[in-house]
Amino acid sequence: GAVVSQHPSWVICKSGTSVKIECRSLDFQATTMFWYRQFPKQSLMLMATSNEGSKATYEQGVEKDKFLINHASLTLSTLTVTSAHPEDSSFYICSAPRDYSGANVLTFGAGSRLTVL
Amino acid sequence: AQKITQTQPGMFVQEKEAVTLDCTYDTSDQSYGLFWYKQPSSGEMIFLIYQGSYDEQNATEGRYSLNFQKARKSANLVISASQLGDSAMYFCAMREGRGGAQKLVFGQGTRLTINP
Repeated sequence: GAVVSQHPSWVICKSGTSVKIECRSLDFQATTMFWYRQFPKQSLMLMATSNEGSKATYEQGVEKDKFLINHASLTLSTLTVTSAHPEDSSFYICSAPRDYSGANVLTFGAGSRLTVL
Repeated sequence: AQKITQTQPGMFVQEKEAVTLDCTYDTSDQSYGLFWYKQPSSGEMIFLIYQGSYDEQNATEGRYSLNFQKARKSANLVISASQLGDSAMYFCAMREGRGGAQKLVFGQGTRLTINP
């Protein structure tokens, strides 16, 4: 079945450093991928839509210079949290649409838990 | 305005019983899709079931069924014969529009606990 691989699954970094998270569609191609953020005990909030070969589309309130998204190929999107600070600590999860009986269903990666010290 | 509302923060159910998780939605689109995902403590989001707004029959997937009441704008998830492994967070989500790769909007979730 369709699988989305996300790496790393968890990362701890110092304040001020940058962290890159990779999202790969393993057995299907994805021209579009979605990056979500989830704070503890809360729902998923869409951060941005990653578009292969073009710029990402960011949701209102999401700093594009802070959260750099690159969709380098039809199977890879990356999210880079630049100059990370403790308030960026969160669970980041990517997803890609796949066909499900004619409908587009988002398949999610396992998520990346970021802790900024 | 909240597009997806899940009014049950937590539910406790005895093993083998059926459980209904509530979800109401708000949209002015005629074409939309409704989804349910399960999120265990590991954090992954597992797709459970999908209902299109034009689908006349309620969707079913094994022990999962979606009680779609279009006029009431509700899309409740029914889990039959609950199992201990069903304990998790459950999210209802909606996609507006037809086709393409539109984004999903999620509800606040319901934490389901199955008691032995």
